Amino acid sequence: RKEVEQDPGPFNVPEGATVAFNCTYSNSASQSFFWYRQDCRKEPKLLMSVYSSGNEDGRFTAQLNRASQYISLLIRDSKLSDSATYLCVVNEGTGGFKTIFGAGTRLFVKA
Amino acid sequence: NAGVTQTPKFRVLKTGQSMTLLCAQDMNHEYMYWYRQDPGMGLRLIHYSVGEGTTAKGEVPDGYNVSRLKKQNFLLGLESAAPSQTSVYFCASKPIAGGKDYEQYFGPGTRLTVT
Repeated sequence: RKEVEQDPGPFNVPEGATVAFNCTYSNSASQSFFWYRQDCRKEPKLLMSVYSSGNEDGRFTAQLNRASQYISLLIRDSKLSDSATYLCVVNEGTGGFKTIFGAGTRLFVKA
Repeated sequence: NAGVTQTPKFRVLKTGQSMTLLCAQDMNHEYMYWYRQDPGMGLRLIHYSVGEGTTAKGEVPDGYNVSRLKKQNFLLGLESAAPSQTSVYFCASKPIAGGKDYEQYFGPGTRLTVT
């Protein structure tokens, strides 16, 4: 079993749609969680951290379920510019030595 | 601030050749990392460093060596390149402060092809 698993997609959605991605992690001792965005042939960039109580940043909402060991990302009112690969990232220690990246979920938003 | 920079951006090597990839950061971050990214796979950690003069192995260290002689630089060496090392290599850095876990900042990547 992979340490961090994501549905690779691709998710093809029209502009304005709501789309949700899930990610599961295997280590129950994992301490911090992030969603990164990676555009084609570019470096990953932080989209948002994921907090236990859930958090929102504009059209993006992240949720953490520690009991079931999954995190989610919800994108509302999708824009063409949201087309990218979304990486689920889990830190298994505050030192960050054990940072596990999911393989990513590809999203295509079409006009 | 330039952030994290990587040199070179592209390189083609023949099997058996050696090379060094340079990563530099101007954010005074303590931690630095080298990853490789292959199609369909997540980023995999090659080596990392928690400070000047210290390095440690990650998930896939074989065939690579690293050095961190200065806090701002982290070098990745391939002593004898193999086709299996064809990949995109990303460097990242991260600050530490008060026990809070911060995100990693990535360089633009180096695309390496070994023929």
